[in-house]
Amino acid sequence: EVQLVESGGGLVQPGASLKLSCVASGFTFSDYWMSWVRQTPGKTMEWIGDIKYDGSYTNYAPSLKNRFTISRDNAKSTLYLQMSNVRSEDTATYYCTSMGSGYWGQGVMVTVSS
Amino acid sequence: DVVMTQTPPSLSVAIGQSVSISCKSSQSLVYSDGKTYLHWLLQSSGRSPKRLIYQVSNLDSGVPDRFSGTGSQKDFTLKISRVEAKDLGVYYCAQTTHFPWTFGGGTKLELK
Repeated sequence: EVQLVESGGGLVQPGASLKLSCVASGFTFSDYWMSWVRQTPGKTMEWIGDIKYDGSYTNYAPSLKNRFTISRDNAKSTLYLQMSNVRSEDTATYYCTSMGSGYWGQGVMVTVSS
Repeated sequence: DVVMTQTPPSLSVAIGQSVSISCKSSQSLVYSDGKTYLHWLLQSSGRSPKRLIYQVSNLDSGVPDRFSGTGSQKDFTLKISRVEAKDLGVYYCAQTTHFPWTFGGGTKLELK
């Protein structure tokens, strides 16, 4: 059974940094491009970016490129999202997904507030 | 960015009825490989999204054939025949042809 399990969310202050993780199982993680997608409290879905199966290439939504970094560790079957200088508008549920394969994690909530 | 416009924003349906959801994109979604990367997702209450259909009309494994997807270029439709209670939730279209990938605003399917 395919599983994507995100962690690392919580309450964080504006301007802080946060790193989310997503552990994959049930499929050959190193064969797949992976993405992060977030869903705002108003239910708007926003693609953050993706990373090539070997970690050698990334794409980002232009509006987030300067603050968010996606990486992966195929030996650990883990995807990461490093968020820096977070803002209130980053408050959302963050999903890791292989959009090409239709796999989605259960999501992790991030709340940015002082 | 490619804007994905879904209509209607909400639908009230009786069990057993059929419904259609429209998704229009601001640009053609045909990729250079000739494929069209338009997908449909369902998010049931309190759950993460689940992909139902990929590349316009291909059903994901386990998705009943009551669901069907049609369309081309910039105009796409999801049809659900004989709606069941487990079909309720928010449907999203999504395109992965052009970066950044974008989603429609969602269509909430509710019981009448």
